[in-house]
Amino acid sequence: QVQLQESGPGLVKPSQTLSLTCTVFGGSISGGAYYWSWIRQHPDKGLEFIGYIYNSETTYYNPSLKSRVTMSVDTSKNQFSLKLSSMTAADTAVYYCVRGTPIIVLDYWGQGTLVTVSS
Amino acid sequence: DIQMTQSPSSLSASVGDRVTITCRASQGISNYLAWFQQKPGKAPKSLIYAASSLQSGVPSKFSGSGSGTDFTLTISSLQPEDFATYYCQQYNNYPWTFGQGTKVEIK
Repeated sequence: QVQLQESGPGLVKPSQTLSLTCTVFGGSISGGAYYWSWIRQHPDKGLEFIGYIYNSETTYYNPSLKSRVTMSVDTSKNQFSLKLSSMTAADTAVYYCVRGTPIIVLDYWGQGTLVTVSS
Repeated sequence: DIQMTQSPSSLSASVGDRVTITCRASQGISNYLAWFQQKPGKAPKSLIYAASSLQSGVPSKFSGSGSGTDFTLTISSLQPEDFATYYCQQYNNYPWTFGQGTKVEIK
């Protein structure tokens, strides 16, 4: 059973860059055609797709965040990561990492990590 | 972006009730529609993909239907563990987008 776990700072100052890592357990990040996605959820709000890295190399970023987002994969650590620059209070949210396939695009979810932007 | 609109935004129902949630896309998305269940403080859980295919391990009381712009999620007999918020999500067009959620509460 695949499990994903997010890690990173719970508190980020305005204008800083957020760096989150998702560690994959029970499966190889480089074995197969998978979407490795990031989704966020603002407090008591709905879900927002940030983007994905597919097959360890192809990226797609939501145009609403594209100028600030970078995603990458570290196969040696079985991890993928999200960097979001120029953080503001509007970026305060729970961030989820998710694995998917071309058939089930958002399948296995991490438990989520709350990131608060505050000075 | 494709807008996904769920109705109702919330509903109250009793154990044993049949519940139907509707999701409408602002343009046609074929059958590229998924449903998720989210309980407080937890990550969303995949229920349905491709509009009507049941995710492995999900009980058959959940069913999905629809194609094009109009979709439904039905819970045939509501149980205490089904009280949660449900989201639809389209993946026909980029960016993938979600409905605003439907909160199912105990009557």
